[in-house]
Amino acid sequence: DGGITQSPKYLFRKEGQNVTLSCEQNLNHDAMYWYRQDPGQGLRLIYYSQIVNDFQKGDIAEGYSVSREKKESFPLTVTSAQKNPTAFYLCASTLNRGMNTEAFFGQGTRLTVV
Amino acid sequence: DAKTTQPTSMDCAEGRAANLPCNHSTISGNEYVYWYRQIHSQGPQYIIHGLKNNETNEMASLIITEDRKSSTLILPHATLRDTAVYYCIVRAPAGGTSYGKLTFGQGTILTVHP
Repeated sequence: DGGITQSPKYLFRKEGQNVTLSCEQNLNHDAMYWYRQDPGQGLRLIYYSQIVNDFQKGDIAEGYSVSREKKESFPLTVTSAQKNPTAFYLCASTLNRGMNTEAFFGQGTRLTVV
Repeated sequence: DAKTTQPTSMDCAEGRAANLPCNHSTISGNEYVYWYRQIHSQGPQYIIHGLKNNETNEMASLIITEDRKSSTLILPHATLRDTAVYYCIVRAPAGGTSYGKLTFGQGTILTVHP
């Protein structure tokens, strides 16, 4: 079945360590997105990528980095520069063609930094 | 993408229709209205989208006003499992100059009670 997969579901790291969250899709979608969600809050856009080898900052990119070397993959690195990294992280993908550009989301990674 | 405004929370009795409003007064002529919902600690799920005409699928109906400045998502017979956060967003079709960012607001917390 086609879908978008985030791993791991839960992740614990010590303060000051970089950590990379995985996002893979086999939907042949062009665009991919990373969001952060804090308790009781909506989704805030971190980075997005419309095509391979290209990406743009979202609304809260500071302290994060991404790469898009393959169409299927859009890993997010939470660096030590991110002051409050503990959050729920969601990855999404969409087509960039046609009218049906609804987003498909992964099940999220809950990152806890101690 | 145009900004949307939704009520913070709403209640609905089980079995009754849930009507969730969304204002998007700055929507552009080619921007679609999309609705998603997020059940606690999961990735958002696509519900429905439309441009001008009212739309219906197996999950819900979408009513868009004639001036397109607002819309209403209707869950015809709400169940306890419909308790979730509902997000309304607007988005240009793929290929347009304003395509790209996929921005979510705070959403409406819908609570369906027995």
